[in-house]
Amino acid sequence: DVKVTQSSRYLVKRTGEKVFLECVQDMDHENMFWYRQDPGLGLRLIYFSYDVKMKEKGDIPEGYSVSREKKERFSLILESASTNQTSMYLCASSFRTTSGNTIYFGEGSWLTVV
Amino acid sequence: QKEVEQNSGPLSVPEGAIASLNCTYSDRGSQSFFWYRQYSGKSPELIMFIYSNGDKEDGRFTAQLNKASQYVSLLIRDSQPSDSATYLCAVTSGYSTLTFGKGTMLLVSP
Repeated sequence: DVKVTQSSRYLVKRTGEKVFLECVQDMDHENMFWYRQDPGLGLRLIYFSYDVKMKEKGDIPEGYSVSREKKERFSLILESASTNQTSMYLCASSFRTTSGNTIYFGEGSWLTVV
Repeated sequence: QKEVEQNSGPLSVPEGAIASLNCTYSDRGSQSFFWYRQYSGKSPELIMFIYSNGDKEDGRFTAQLNKASQYVSLLIRDSQPSDSATYLCAVTSGYSTLTFGKGTMLLVSP
């Protein structure tokens, strides 16, 4: 079975703090993704990566950065957390193929910024 | 901008009925179509995917694709209360990332 692990499930951070969200996958997937999900707004792509040290902006990259130093690990960084970044964050991974990339999600990280 | 549209619901059906969930997409180049189920407070889990026009069945689930009409649907036969969840439609083309709809909430009453 595909395993995407988000180490931090529930976090409470203060405004202005630097926040790291870590994600590890064990399926040797090339692609990794970070989404946030908010009521009424659905899933929105923040950043994705299709290879080590590669990153691409998604739909809402502002206020976020990412790091992919190893193939299995993809980190989301909030340089200075703000209250509007309170959300559920979902990491996902997939193979990189032309026949449709089934993506598999981690369990999610609930972040509250106070 | 690629768009995927779903009725937000809730769609309410009695136990044992057929639930029909619909999705339309804007990108005619879309090649692959996915249905995910998401229980409240949980992450999305893949139910099934479909690439070709027509029907694809997997147990109680049937995905239907009509590329000419840019329409994909999910039928759930013999609906159970445990099927109550939000169902997300997702679409992609080639190497591009998935575009998700906002989901349809399904409520199955006993």
